[in-house]
Amino acid sequence: NAGVMQNPRHLVRRRGQEARLRCSPMKGHSHVYWYRQLPEEGLKFMVYLQKENIIDESGMPKERFSAEFPKEGPSILRIQQVVRGDSAAYFCASSPSDWGPAQFFGPGTRLTVL
Amino acid sequence: SQELEQSPQSLIVQEGKNLTINCTSSKTLYGLYWYKQKYGEGLIFLMMLQKGGEEKSHEKITAKLDEKKQQSSLHITASQPSHAGIYLCGADGNTNAGKSTFGDGTTLTVKP
Repeated sequence: NAGVMQNPRHLVRRRGQEARLRCSPMKGHSHVYWYRQLPEEGLKFMVYLQKENIIDESGMPKERFSAEFPKEGPSILRIQQVVRGDSAAYFCASSPSDWGPAQFFGPGTRLTVL
Repeated sequence: SQELEQSPQSLIVQEGKNLTINCTSSKTLYGLYWYKQKYGEGLIFLMMLQKGGEEKSHEKITAKLDEKKQQSSLHITASQPSHAGIYLCGADGNTNAGKSTFGDGTTLTVKP
């Protein structure tokens, strides 16, 4: 039973390019959470999604960032026109329900913006 | 919004020594979780505490929740190099439990 999978593990982009980060939740999990970890900082909640629905995006920057979790396929976190300040580790977590801690985290995608 | 403060920020101990990491919340704790993160990897869930006074242990790691003090402590007995990493506490406000707030982490180094 594979855990939460994220790809790519490392992503390098130049300023102004787009970054697409993918998260495949654990089998049977329909709740996905995205977190960002800036260098030397803790994890910050970005967005909570269920299949085809954004439940809470209160932690997501208003511009350039979007997330989706389609009926089929992985959840995608998309960052348009990346800037150096977007460089961070982006973690995805999945859960079988909306209660209880996010126990299952992916290994993260480390985004570097040149 | 709820904030979690961890102390110390970093800790260096000799192998075999005991240590304690604290996590203090600015608001009432409905659930407190401890995770471990190794550099370049994701978070590993250690344990969850929900009731005041609750104490849980996993191998040589024990966590306690003091609900009144809005605080949790993580205690490692007879530390080993394998305990090294970043320990993070996380907490929920009340609902949407996966939308957790995290502390900034405590980096633990264990010297052999």
